[in-house]
Amino acid sequence: NAGVTQTPKFRVLKTGQSMTLLCAQDMNHEYMYWYRQDPGMGLRLIHYSVGEGTTAKGEVPDGYNVSRLKKQNFLLGLESAAPSQTSVYFCASSSRDSYYGYTFGSGTRLTVV
Amino acid sequence: AQSVTQLDSHVSVSEGTPVLLRCNYSSSYSPSLFWYVQHPNKGLQLLLKYTSAATLVKGINGFEAEFKKSETSFHLTKPSAHMSDAAEYFCVVSEGGGGTSYGKLTFGQGTILTVHP
Repeated sequence: NAGVTQTPKFRVLKTGQSMTLLCAQDMNHEYMYWYRQDPGMGLRLIHYSVGEGTTAKGEVPDGYNVSRLKKQNFLLGLESAAPSQTSVYFCASSSRDSYYGYTFGSGTRLTVV
Repeated sequence: AQSVTQLDSHVSVSEGTPVLLRCNYSSSYSPSLFWYVQHPNKGLQLLLKYTSAATLVKGINGFEAEFKKSETSFHLTKPSAHMSDAAEYFCVVSEGGGGTSYGKLTFGQGTILTVHP
């Protein structure tokens, strides 16, 4: 099915470990985004990309890095995980003229202990 | 800068009664506005979006929202609540504006809707 796929769905990390979250979309969308969701705070933008090879910082970028080497993939990296990065991470994609708005992945639940 | 305020963090209704979830926005231009729903441990699903074509927007599952520029509001309503409507709802404004679907999204804090039998 067409859409946004996030891997992994769940992960437990120890403080200081690193990991990469993968987001893949097959809708040929130009724009891709990484959000984190914390209780009572809605979703906050971490980083985003307006096209292949370009990335930009969002509202809460500290402690994260991203790359978009291919149009369909948007990777979110944590170089040295901290307990404050325990959250649910959502990837989304969109197109300028998309009737359906933004398409979200099903989320990655990350716990840092 | 754009912002969204959802006026209620929790709303509780009885099954069969009307639902009203309130949202005010701030945007320096004609906004793109959305309502998303998130059921427990699920992703986000688009309920409806404001495209500037009509101020009353109809969405899925009987929900609708009215864009009121003078009040900078985009409240979500449903005439009769169903048990399956119990979820968290997010009002969202897009940087893209004018009903388009690109640019950074700004989310409200969310409203948890509880539906009692």
